[in-house]
Amino acid sequence: AQSVSQHNHHVILSEAASLELGCNYSYGGTVNLFWYVQYPGQHLQLLLKYFSGDPLVKGIKGFEAEFIKSKFSFNLRKPSVQWSDTAEYFCAAGGPNTDKLIFGTGTRLQVFP
Amino acid sequence: KAGVTQTPRYLIKTRGQQVTLSCSPISGHRSVSWYQQTPGQGLQFLFEYFSETQRNKGNFPGRFSGRQFSNSRSEMNVSTLELGDSALYLCASSSQGQTTYGYTFGSGTRLTVV
Repeated sequence: AQSVSQHNHHVILSEAASLELGCNYSYGGTVNLFWYVQYPGQHLQLLLKYFSGDPLVKGIKGFEAEFIKSKFSFNLRKPSVQWSDTAEYFCAAGGPNTDKLIFGTGTRLQVFP
Repeated sequence: KAGVTQTPRYLIKTRGQQVTLSCSPISGHRSVSWYQQTPGQGLQFLFEYFSETQRNKGNFPGRFSGRQFSNSRSEMNVSTLELGDSALYLCASSSQGQTTYGYTFGSGTRLTVV
């Protein structure tokens, strides 16, 4: 079955701390992977995506993610978080020729000054 | 260019009623997908329309239906509302409706069933 798991439901950090949010997926065949962010009161925005090639992908606002095929993982990282990173983060997977995204349940990140 | 527009932003309905939500995609986008977002389940795929045809459907009961018009605008209908239908309903548009091309999400319609 296709699924995406995010094991960190709620993460609390201080500003300047490093961030790593876990994402594991189960998906048959070629997979496209995404991280979306939802700031309070705003719509979902794409942070970064992986289709193929370099497994380390860089996104907006200093975020990056590493695709590790052997571990079925696509963890999101940021070396130094800011208060403005407070948001909910969603990992998602989809096939390249399909229209359906499978989302994880999300990780709520709170960053305190 | 204008983003994905969803109306209304908020709705309160009573159990047993029906509701229709609207989504206007980005100009030129022919694919519209709908997702239900709840705190416990995250985002779950409802269905996707491309050029007025439903191409894919998630695991939701038949009370959930949708359609797409020739101008790519889409509506989603939920009949016989249940308390568990309370959620944020998100619409996403895409040029081709494949994950490779990416999606742009609207701000959603928050439905509360009382």
